[in-house]
Amino acid sequence: DTEVTQTPKHLVMGMTNKKSLKCEQHMGHRAMYWYKQKAKKPPELMFVYSYEKLSINESVPSRFSPECPNSSLLNLHLHALQPEDSALYLCASSQDMGGSYTEAFFGQGTRLTVV
Amino acid sequence: GQNIDQPTEMTATEGAIVQINCTYQTSGFNGLFWYQQHAGEAPTFLSYNVLDGLEEKGRFSSFLSRSKGYSYLLLKELQMKDSASYLCASLDSNYQLIWGAGTKLIIKP
Repeated sequence: DTEVTQTPKHLVMGMTNKKSLKCEQHMGHRAMYWYKQKAKKPPELMFVYSYEKLSINESVPSRFSPECPNSSLLNLHLHALQPEDSALYLCASSQDMGGSYTEAFFGQGTRLTVV
Repeated sequence: GQNIDQPTEMTATEGAIVQINCTYQTSGFNGLFWYQQHAGEAPTFLSYNVLDGLEEKGRFSSFLSRSKGYSYLLLKELQMKDSASYLCASLDSNYQLIWGAGTKLIIKP
């Protein structure tokens, strides 16, 4: 199983809503990532969890709140988003962050539209 | 600073060969990745080079020269389904992927 599963695939939310994006992998990977990708741009790293601990927060606004309940799950809680936050949100995982790093596997993404 | 350069767009003909170049300058280097991304979909892994030389995998090959900070992705026997963006990414000293902006490859019949 080399899959990273993200739900939902599409999400439309208002600026006052609270929603969550979910990501799951069962490859035993210990590093998990959230990326944001705008059209025709490369993925932008938002957060990295390593061994279920937040390792990197790339100065992401507090309206995005990550959570790693266990080694297989990664959530991104959304609250009071702005229309410019509309993007494809990608989850990825890799075996590790250090010397055991191999390729990152990406989920299919959640297409988020903020209205 | 960290920088990855690759052409914005390339056009090729079905059945032909195309080479997509990438130059990189990153803080440390732990390998160079190529990903394919179809519009609206997630990136999918194509190749990883950490040593100099050519790695061949079916119709796709990837080359790395660490001394020149240079890599290319070679696609042979192009098919219409190869129309996609190709992203070059360098793994820096912190094992973070530094992404290029991607090369949009257009395949014409």
